[in-house]
Order: sequence, then structure tokens, then C-alpha cells
Amino acid sequence: DIVMTQSPDSLAVSLGERATINCKSSQSVLYSSNNKNYLAWYQQKPGQPPKLLIYWASARESGVPDRFSGSGSGTDFTLTISSLQAEDVAVYYCQQYYSTPLTFGGGTKVELK
Amino acid sequence: EVQLVESGGGLVQPGGSLRLSCAASGFTFSTYNMNWVRQAPGKGLEWVSYISTTSRTLYYADSVKGRFTIFRDNAKNSLYLQMNSLRAEDTAVYYCARDGAGGSGRPIDYWGQGTLVTVSS
Repeated sequence: DIVMTQSPDSLAVSLGERATINCKSSQSVLYSSNNKNYLAWYQQKPGQPPKLLIYWASARESGVPDRFSGSGSGTDFTLTISSLQAEDVAVYYCQQYYSTPLTFGGGTKVELK
Repeated sequence: EVQLVESGGGLVQPGGSLRLSCAASGFTFSTYNMNWVRQAPGKGLEWVSYISTTSRTLYYADSVKGRFTIFRDNAKNSLYLQMNSLRAEDTAVYYCARDGAGGSGRPIDYWGQGTLVTVSS
């Protein structure tokens, strides 16, 4: 199984400041046939299901604000919120969909400072 | 609008059984692979099971293999999870989740609101 490790566990950021979340996979999730990383990022607010933000490590889902961006390749990935808004307070999860079992990182809680 | 509505959760004793259902609408259900994902109270996300469009391919997490069965009825636009020999550690919100379009390379892109399963005596 591919183990996904996120850091930090929690993060307090001021409004308008940058938030950076890291995710590391225990093996590469880069699919050689199409050169795409099978890595997604989800946002989950309290009492709600997760919402897809980013797929293929850096492709933004339709309707997601452009302050959210993803980067990285192979085994090391980053989700960046360029200018934190109040509505971005949530838990963020990375997930690999390269192979089953699908696996998630432990989550990073983003709060306002 | 894509909608996934789970039902069937509730309180069950250890060793008991429960069947979860997920009613899909707003998309052509028969052309999408589907998943169940769960989340224990206050914990992270755990993928449970996957079923392909034709039900030919099934996958399970090791933690539920041999106890849970995923199946679907494309004529009824519905996904199911039969859960047997339930344990306390199966207590969680269970989400029905749509895979990205087949062959697209997209991940799970829509989730239901979830149904709570509590295993306790």
C-alpha cells in the first residue's frame, strides 16, 4: 500500500497570508504512460463531505478559486493557498489514486491566526 | 446537478449487519465507477471499496475484506454496501463517492453527505 504522509498536522495563518501544506507518498505516483501524477487534494469543512480541489497534482477543479494551487511530482507534493480567506478554514487531505487501495494523508487543519 | 444520497445507517450491535444505499442522480450512473469511503468520528478518510461500471471489478480495503460486499443496480441508479460481522471499529460516517469519468485519470470528484453507522452494544 502507498502511505501518504502530510505535514504539518495543523497550521494557523493570518488572513491574506500564505498557507503551505506538504504531502509525501511512500512510492512514486507518477504514471509513466501519460506523465501525470495521480495525486489529489480535498478540502473538508466541518459537517460536510470532502470537496475536490486539485487533481493530477496541479490541475485545479472547475470552480475552485485560483488562490489554491498544487505542485510537485513523484513522491513530494505541496498545496498552497496564496492568500488565506476566512472560508478556507478547513481540513485538507492529499490522496493518491495511482493504485488500490486508494490512500489518504492524515489531514492538515488550517485555522486563522 | 450531481447528487449522491446515502441511507441505511444507524445503530447496530457488534456482529450485526447493515445495508447502506446510495441513490445517484444528475449524471449517467451506469458510466461511472463508484466507491465507498468512511470517516471515523474525529478521524481522517479511509477508502473502503470500489466497483466498476459493470460490477466486473471489485476492490476492498483489507480491513473490510470478507465482511463487506459492494454492489450496484444500474437500472435503479443505486449503489449499495452490505456490511456483515460489524465491529466497533467500523463506526464511521460512510460516504458514497463517484470516481472520475472512466479512463479520464481523474480522482473521486463527487461525494454524498454521508450516513452514520454506529456499532455498539
